[in-house]
Amino acid sequence: NAGVTQTPKFQVLKTGQSMTLQCAQDMNHEYMSWYRQDPGMGLRLIHYSVGAGITDQGEVPNGYNVSRSTTEDFPLRLLSAAPSQTSVYFCASKRQGKQYFGPGTRLTVT
Amino acid sequence: TQLLEQSPQFLSIQEGENLTVYCNSSSVFSSLQWYRQEPGEGPVLLVTVVTGGEVKKLKRLTFQFGDARKDSSLHITAAQPGDTGLYLCAGAGAGNQFYFGTGTSLTVIP
Repeated sequence: NAGVTQTPKFQVLKTGQSMTLQCAQDMNHEYMSWYRQDPGMGLRLIHYSVGAGITDQGEVPNGYNVSRSTTEDFPLRLLSAAPSQTSVYFCASKRQGKQYFGPGTRLTVT
Repeated sequence: TQLLEQSPQFLSIQEGENLTVYCNSSSVFSSLQWYRQEPGEGPVLLVTVVTGGEVKKLKRLTFQFGDARKDSSLHITAAQPGDTGLYLCAGAGAGNQFYFGTGTSLTVIP
């Protein structure tokens, strides 16, 4: 099992550009989520999904969209990137209370 | 809103010393988790505590959940360089959401 995979590993965007961060898991977990990690702030929940076709907002959803068309994939879309979205993004899946995190995507918006 | 505060934020100790990391909140959580994160990787779950007053041991690591389920501590005995990393607590709140603490960066010097 590959667990939770994320692509790309690194990304630089200009202000106003859009992009999609990819996340996939091969553990057949229903619950998936996206977090951002900023220095001194811990991880903050952006969006989450309890199953295919169901998504909900977390603590900091503004500027991000998600969809869940399959159990395996949970992409995160930045509609119009802003410097405030410079961060490290982590995708996670969860089963029976245990969260499994991907390796992260480091995003810089200039 | 940051619901979980961790202290200290940074900790640098010599190999063989003992240390305690604290995770405090004014909110009650149904469960609390501790993670360790190494540079360039996602957090990895160490333990979940569920019952107020619960104590769990993982080799040299001892985790305690406060009686009121608002706080937790992580004690490491005889720290080793392999314990170096970012330690994060996370409380389970309403709606399948986990709220992460601010993190404690531990460095164990050989």
